[in-house]
Amino acid sequence: SQTIHQWPATLVQPVGSPLSLECTVEGTSNPNLYWYRQAAGRGLQLLFYSVGIGQISSEVPQNLSASRPQDRQFILSSKKLLLSDSGFYLCAWSFWSSAGPGANYGYTFGSGTRLTVV
Amino acid sequence: KQEVTQIPAALSVPEGENLVLNCSFTDSAIYNLQWFRQDPGKGLTSLLLIQSSQREQTSGRLNASLDKSSGRSTLYIAASQPGDSATYLCAVSGTASKLTFGTGTRLQVTL
Repeated sequence: SQTIHQWPATLVQPVGSPLSLECTVEGTSNPNLYWYRQAAGRGLQLLFYSVGIGQISSEVPQNLSASRPQDRQFILSSKKLLLSDSGFYLCAWSFWSSAGPGANYGYTFGSGTRLTVV
Repeated sequence: KQEVTQIPAALSVPEGENLVLNCSFTDSAIYNLQWFRQDPGKGLTSLLLIQSSQREQTSGRLNASLDKSSGRSTLYIAASQPGDSATYLCAVSGTASKLTFGTGTRLQVTL
């Protein structure tokens, strides 16, 4: 069965420090991978998605970047964190179906990383 | 731009009650709708996935319906239990290759 792992579970970082959050998927190949952020009192916002190694699409301009060095690994990074980067970061995977562009078989989410920038 | 609304924002019911959570979306051109559960400080757990060609899906005490033409979905929870207390999120998937989430319904089931 497919599983998705995120780490660390919690992180407290000072403003201006770098960030690296990792997400890995097991039990599947060539998934679509996503990074979402959930800020306090807000809904879930898509940050990045990837359809393959080295292919990254950014949804919103921000202080973050993403990379996919391996098929089942998705990394969220920042060179210098801002206070506004605090939030709950969730990784997810899905597979597209043949029904049309964007059609899929549902999304599976990881357990999340709580990031607090101080 | 797709917008997803969930009503009510919060709900408190006594144990044993049946309840309905509502989700509406503005663009009916969706592939599917997914209901998730989120416990405080935790990730999202998928409850039910309804493809656009389907009208409803059932899992245990949960039943989700989809009326794509009117842009509505409901999640019905039968015989609620304290363990059902969580935030429930609906999300739609369209041609934009991403999920658009509602803001959620926070449910509390009391003893």
